Amino acid sequence: DIQLTQSPSTLSASVGDRVTITCRASQSISSWLAWYQQKPGKAPKLLIYKASSLESGVPSRFSGSGSGTEFTLTISSLQPDDFATYYCQQYDSYFRTFGQGTKVEMK
Amino acid sequence: VQLVESGGGLVKPGGSLRLSCAASGFTFNIYAMNWVRQAPGKGLEWVSFISSSSDNIYYADSVKGRFTISRDNAKNSVYLQMNSLRAEDTAMYYCARDEAGWGQGTLVTVSS
Repeated sequence: DIQLTQSPSTLSASVGDRVTITCRASQSISSWLAWYQQKPGKAPKLLIYKASSLESGVPSRFSGSGSGTEFTLTISSLQPDDFATYYCQQYDSYFRTFGQGTKVEMK
Repeated sequence: VQLVESGGGLVKPGGSLRLSCAASGFTFNIYAMNWVRQAPGKGLEWVSFISSSSDNIYYADSVKGRFTISRDNAKNSVYLQMNSLRAEDTAMYYCARDEAGWGQGTLVTVSS
């Protein structure tokens, strides 16, 4: 199975900060990577698909980049609504896998 | 895209449940579908994949031999038959389409 490793596991930041989360794949997944945001008690929300395509309705402060084995999710200016847990997911393999999650908390 | 899961509940160890997911807002019969679960306080775990025509079906090792995924394209629905349930299967189960949103989930609790 393809392993996804996210870093960091926890990130402390302030409103207005630029935030970057990294996702590394154990083998090349081309651009078949999605990013999700999850808040407590809610279903995950799709933010980015195909590594860098912004889902409709998602604020433009979210962006994704990368291909192959290294990917990043960037929030250009952190807003109060962005404190949440973020997951990457690969869909290159039929056996989908997720990163372990990155919790973005208030500094 | 709208996905609505149902069928969760409380079941004893060794019991069975059948989850359903009703899809709308897209051409269901051309998309593969997945089930994903999340145990309380844990991360996301992919459970199973079914291709658009049901030709390709895959399971996570943790559920292989106990769970069966299926779909009915005429009813725009995907199902997860769960047998021989264990305490560690307790989780919120989500129906998911790649590059699209997820449903709100259905809670499965396995406890005596």
